[in-house]
Amino acid sequence: NAGVTQTPKFQVLKTGQSMTLQCAQDMNHEYMSWYRQDPGMGLRLIHYSVGAGITDQGEVPNGYNVSRSTTEDFPLRLLSAAPSQTSVYFCASSYSPPGANVLTFGAGSRLTVL
Amino acid sequence: GENVEQHPSTLSVQEGDSAVIKCTYSDSASNYFPWYKQELGKGPQLIIDIRSNVGEKKDQRIAVTLNKTAKHFSLHITETQPEDSAVYFCAAKGRGYKLSFGAGTTVTVRA
Repeated sequence: NAGVTQTPKFQVLKTGQSMTLQCAQDMNHEYMSWYRQDPGMGLRLIHYSVGAGITDQGEVPNGYNVSRSTTEDFPLRLLSAAPSQTSVYFCASSYSPPGANVLTFGAGSRLTVL
Repeated sequence: GENVEQHPSTLSVQEGDSAVIKCTYSDSASNYFPWYKQELGKGPQLIIDIRSNVGEKKDQRIAVTLNKTAKHFSLHITETQPEDSAVYFCAAKGRGYKLSFGAGTTVTVRA
């Protein structure tokens, strides 16, 4: 049981490049989400999904795309990276939306955009 | 949407003393309030949570209190130990499926 697995752990991009942060969970969780963590700003919700084929925006969705084709995977795509997207990204999942079950976080992916 | 404010941003305590972190929330419909601990280089982990129908909850040296009228909740850590040094986040679940986090408190326990 690996829990929530994020790859890569570290990534450096140039402005304008695209990339995908991968998130996979093996706990059969229906709810998955992406947060970004910036100094002094805590964790801010980017996108979330309540099940395969269903996604919705969080607080800071601009510049990011997501899809949920399977229960296990929830990739986060940056189509044209900007320095403002330099951050640590966390994927988190739970059996159902937060409140009914505990949200479990991955170890994070640190992204630097030059 | 929900807005969660957390204070203080940093907290330094002597080993064995108590630590208190306070949070306020804006949405009166919020009904779930978890606290997460984040150690260096790791993802946040739940340490305790409380629901809106409960005023206080305790788990060994950790307790959380909730005041729904004032819309604030607090984390209390007693008999602090070096392993309590970490970043702590409060959160609140308002309407819908979103969990909103505070900005975090860096706790340092001095030996």
